[in-house]
Amino acid sequence: NAGVMQNPRHLVRRRGQEARLRCSPMKGHSHVYWYRQLPEEGLKFMVYLQKENIIDESGMPKERFSAEFPKEGPSILRIQQVVRGDSAAYFCASDKGPGRTDTQYFGPGTRLTVL
Amino acid sequence: AQRVTQPEKLLSVFKGAPVELKCNYSYSGSPELFWYVQYSRQRLQLLLRHISRESIKGFTADLNKGETSFHLKKPFAQEEDSAMYYCALSGRGRDDKIIFGKGTRLHILP
Repeated sequence: NAGVMQNPRHLVRRRGQEARLRCSPMKGHSHVYWYRQLPEEGLKFMVYLQKENIIDESGMPKERFSAEFPKEGPSILRIQQVVRGDSAAYFCASDKGPGRTDTQYFGPGTRLTVL
Repeated sequence: AQRVTQPEKLLSVFKGAPVELKCNYSYSGSPELFWYVQYSRQRLQLLLRHISRESIKGFTADLNKGETSFHLKKPFAQEEDSAMYYCALSGRGRDDKIIFGKGTRLHILP
């Protein structure tokens, strides 16, 4: 079991470009979470998804940010028209879903740098 | 408001000395509490959760509902304990997310 995979590990974008971050959950996990870690800050929840459904997006900025978890393939966190303030580490986690009898497992993160 | 507070950004402790990483929380209800650890160049991983009441790598944490605290303790620090530690809480509902504190960097001095 390879664990939660994220790619790319490092992503550099210029202001105004789009950033796409991918997350493949652990085998057998149907729920994915995205977190953002700004410099000197803790992890902040962004969005919680299951396949083809967004469960909770209360932590997502209203504009420019979107997330999906299609039936096939990885979960994607998409940031349009990036700005310098989007520079952060973005972590993905997965678990088996309701009841949380299993713990969340984290990916290694994607470090986004906006020039 | 749901909140996790870790008052110390950095804690330096001599090897062999006791360790206590503080965590206080604010939650209306009965949350589930966790400690996560991130060693250098590794991913975040669960260290322990209060419902399992276990001791992992010598660490324990007791939930004190009166003081709304969940401090992490270890009687004798080891050099390999140097890492970033995050306290977190979650509600018990099916759609509840995990809320993290800002983290405390533990530095074990030789």
